[in-house]
Amino acid sequence: AQSVTQLGSHVSVSEGALVLLRCNYSSSVPPYLFWYVQYPNQGLQLLLKYTSAATLVKGINGFEAEFKKSETSFHLTKPSAHMSDAAEYFCALANTGNQFYFGTGTSLTVIP
Amino acid sequence: EADIYQTPRYLVIGTGKKITLECSQTMGHDKMYWYQQDPGMELHLIHYSYGVNSTEKGDLSSESTVSRIRTEHFPLTLESARPSHTSQYLCASSEIGAGNYGYTFGSGTRLTVV
Repeated sequence: AQSVTQLGSHVSVSEGALVLLRCNYSSSVPPYLFWYVQYPNQGLQLLLKYTSAATLVKGINGFEAEFKKSETSFHLTKPSAHMSDAAEYFCALANTGNQFYFGTGTSLTVIP
Repeated sequence: EADIYQTPRYLVIGTGKKITLECSQTMGHDKMYWYQQDPGMELHLIHYSYGVNSTEKGDLSSESTVSRIRTEHFPLTLESARPSHTSQYLCASSEIGAGNYGYTFGSGTRLTVV
C-alpha cells in the first residue's frame, strides 16, 4: 500500500530560521516523491520532485529535500525562512501506476 | 504559454441551482483530475480521466459528474447544488508519465452554496 504522512499539521518558524517540514512515505515499489506549495486561494505549485536520480533535490525558492530510503523520508528544508514562504505544503507520492497520494498538508507560519 | 485554467475563480450560488465548473489545459495532457479541498484540509480525488470519453470516480464519493469530450476540456457539473458542496475544487492534469513529471494544477474554484 502507498501512503504519505506529514508530521505536524502546523509549523511556525521565525523569519531567517531553518524551515523543516517532515514527510514519511510507505511504498512497496520505488516511489516518485514531490513537494507542492499552495498559497491562499491558489492551486498547488510544484516545488521539487525526486525521480530516482540524485537523492538531494533542489527546488524553487531555495527549498530542497533529501530522499532517505532507510528512513522512508523526504523532508523539505530551507536554510532561512522568508515571510513569503508562509503557505500550505503538501508532500505527494506517485507509484509506477502514476496514481498520486497526497499528504494531509503542513501549514507554515513565518513569524517576523 | 502552456497552462491549466479554471473558471470561475469564485462562485456563490443558491441551493438547488445547476453549476458547471470549467477546466481547460493547453499542454495536450491526456490525464486530468478533479480534487475537492476543504479549507486547510487535505485533497480528495473525486474524478479523473485518462483520455477522451474516459472518466472514473475517485476516492471520495461526490454527487458531481464530469465529461471529457475534448482532450483539453474537463468540466465538472453539479445538477443541484447544496450547502454541503461548499468547498474549493482543484483541477489538475499530467502527462502519461505522471510519476516523472508530476501534476500541473489550476488556480481552483472556490464554491459557496447558500
